[in-house]
Amino acid sequence: DSGVTQTPKHLITATGQRVTLRCSPRSGDLSVYWYQQSLDQGLQFLIQYYNGEERAKGNILERFSAQQFPDLHSELNLSSLELGDSALYFCASSVVAGGNNEQFFGPGTRLTVL
Amino acid sequence: GQQLNQSPQSMFIQEGEDVSMNCTSSSIFNTWLWYKQEPGEGPVLLIALYKAGELTSNGRLTAQFGITRKDSFLNISASIPSDVGIYFCAAPEGTSYDKVIFGPGTSLSVIP
Repeated sequence: DSGVTQTPKHLITATGQRVTLRCSPRSGDLSVYWYQQSLDQGLQFLIQYYNGEERAKGNILERFSAQQFPDLHSELNLSSLELGDSALYFCASSVVAGGNNEQFFGPGTRLTVL
Repeated sequence: GQQLNQSPQSMFIQEGEDVSMNCTSSSIFNTWLWYKQEPGEGPVLLIALYKAGELTSNGRLTAQFGITRKDSFLNISASIPSDVGIYFCAAPEGTSYDKVIFGPGTSLSVIP
């Protein structure tokens, strides 16, 4: 158990819908990262937040957005869902941002878009 | 953009055998990371390498940072059933872990 929690574990929805994935980082970790893992694209970095502020952006679609709240939990919002958005979404956290800080991954949320 | 390639894509080995896998890129990296992902779980960091030529061990796992800084290798000795999983190499873009790119993974199956 990495100490990072993600809810829900599974999510099934329809095209065009909007969903919110939630992540609670390890106690004391200030930085949260979101990744998408799909069969054809592998594990892709989406976005990073540090202490409530966006810090780094990867291959995140405009239909996707994230935020980190004062209690440090984070939410990833996916809207206008397409079939191709079906994937595992992982959240990871680290103590601080930058430097060689190990990221600890949560168990993921499996999103299925029908 | 920067991309990591891993080989082999999958391996089926007998328990007790040694395993070798590698990760290559056309880009130079300053850090190489090796992760393992088990079914239903997120990736877990196994080994981090910070210097060209560095050889680092973690139990039966040994990883090396290639001298050209464009590749890295992971060896597992005397494999056991719990070694089953997908092994990813990864490397941070730039000098921090803020943006980490992952290879496609090597899937390892161990036959008891």
